Amino acid sequence: DAGVTQSPTHLIKTRGQQVTLRCSPISGHKSVSWYQQVLGQGPQFIFQYYEKEERGRGNFPDRFSARQFPNYSSELNVNALLLGDSALYLCASSPSFNQPQHFGDGTRLSIL
Amino acid sequence: GESVGLHLPTLSVQEGDNSIINCAYSNSASDYFIWYKQESGKGPQFIIDIRSNMDKRQGQRVTVLLNKTVKHLSLQIAATQPGDSAVYFCAENRVDTGRRALTFGSGTRLQVQP
Repeated sequence: DAGVTQSPTHLIKTRGQQVTLRCSPISGHKSVSWYQQVLGQGPQFIFQYYEKEERGRGNFPDRFSARQFPNYSSELNVNALLLGDSALYLCASSPSFNQPQHFGDGTRLSIL
Repeated sequence: GESVGLHLPTLSVQEGDNSIINCAYSNSASDYFIWYKQESGKGPQFIIDIRSNMDKRQGQRVTVLLNKTVKHLSLQIAATQPGDSAVYFCAENRVDTGRRALTFGSGTRLQVQP
C-alpha cells in the first residue's frame, strides 16, 4: 500500500516568491495535517484538514494557507517567502481524529 | 507555555543493549501520546502510541510507559540494533476544540554502537 506522498521532494525559491506543495494521503484517510520542521527541531503544526474543512491552525502567519480537495489530497501555499521559511514541510494523514498520523517524507524548501 | 520536551538530546548505546528514551509533557489535559522515529532524509515513522487510560503498551521490541502523575513518557527498545539509530520524538496529541494537532519535542538522537 502506498504511504503519504508529497511533491516535489526538493524546491529552491527566492525571497518574495510563492510556493505550492502537494500531498496525497494514504488511501481511505480523510484527515491531512501539515507541519514545518526546521533543521534540528521537531515538527511544528501548521494546519489540519478533515473532510475538506480546516479544523485547526497553528501559530503561522496568514502567508500560509492550505486546502483539501474532494479526493482528500491537499495543497499548502506559502506567499511572500522569507529566508526563515526554509524548512522541511511534512504532510501527515490519518483515517480520523483518534488515530495515529502517518507522515510522508516531506518537501525540502530552500529560500535563497 | 505548554510543551513536550525530552530529557536527553543524545543517547549512545551498545548493540544488543536495551535503550530507554524519556519525555516529559506539561499539558495534563493531553489524552494521547505517540512515539515517532525519524531517519535522516525521511519523515517521522510511527512506532507506538498510548492513550491516557493506559500506563503501558507493548509492541515488537518496544514498550511505552506513561506516568500521568508526573507527566512522564518513556520508550523502551529491547535488544537495540544498528537500524534503530535515528532521532526519536514523543508527540502529544491534544484535543482542542476538535483539533488533533501533534505537539513534538525537539527529539533524542539514538546512536547504536556496534
